[in-house]
Amino acid sequence: NAGVTQTPKFQVLKTGQSMTLQCAQDMNHEYMSWYRQDPGMGLRLIHYSVGAGITDQGEVPNGYNVSRSTTEDFPLRLLSAAPSQTSVYFCASSWGQDQETQYFGPGTRLLVL
Amino acid sequence: AQSVSQHNHHVILSEAASLELGCNYSYGGTVNLFWYVQYPGQHLQLLLKYFSGDPLVKGIKGFEAEFIKSKFSFNLRKPSVQWSDTAEYFCAVGGGTALIFGKGTTLSVSS
Repeated sequence: NAGVTQTPKFQVLKTGQSMTLQCAQDMNHEYMSWYRQDPGMGLRLIHYSVGAGITDQGEVPNGYNVSRSTTEDFPLRLLSAAPSQTSVYFCASSWGQDQETQYFGPGTRLLVL
Repeated sequence: AQSVSQHNHHVILSEAASLELGCNYSYGGTVNLFWYVQYPGQHLQLLLKYFSGDPLVKGIKGFEAEFIKSKFSFNLRKPSVQWSDTAEYFCAVGGGTALIFGKGTTLSVSS
């Protein structure tokens, strides 16, 4: 098992550009989440999904979109990047009956200029 | 509102010293509690978790945590730290489909 994979590892964007952060898991996990990690702020939940076709907002959803067309994939879209979205983004997944024990991907470091 | 508070922002210890990292939570209902660790340049890994039962939970690498319901606390402990324990530690609480994380504690261990 590859676990949770994320691409790209690092990305530089200009303000106003759009991009998609990819996340995939091969553990057949129902639950998937996106977090952003900022210094001194811990991890904050952006969006999460409890299964294919079902998504919901977390603590800081503004400026981000998600979709869940398959169990394996949970992409995060930045529609118009802003410097405030400079962060490290982590995708996580978990299994239904132990949904809160989350398995994290390696992260994507995003810099918005 | 649900929240997690980690009291120590940065802890500096010498090897073989004992460690205790504080974590308090505010949550209305049954909680599940977690400690995650992030080693430099790596992603988060689960150290230990508490769902129910014995309030003293043992995790990987010699870590343990005690759930004290009356104090809304879930402190992380290790009797003797090693240089390799240098990392950032996150307490998290959940009661639904997603976790709420504390802001993290950076542990630096000098050899």
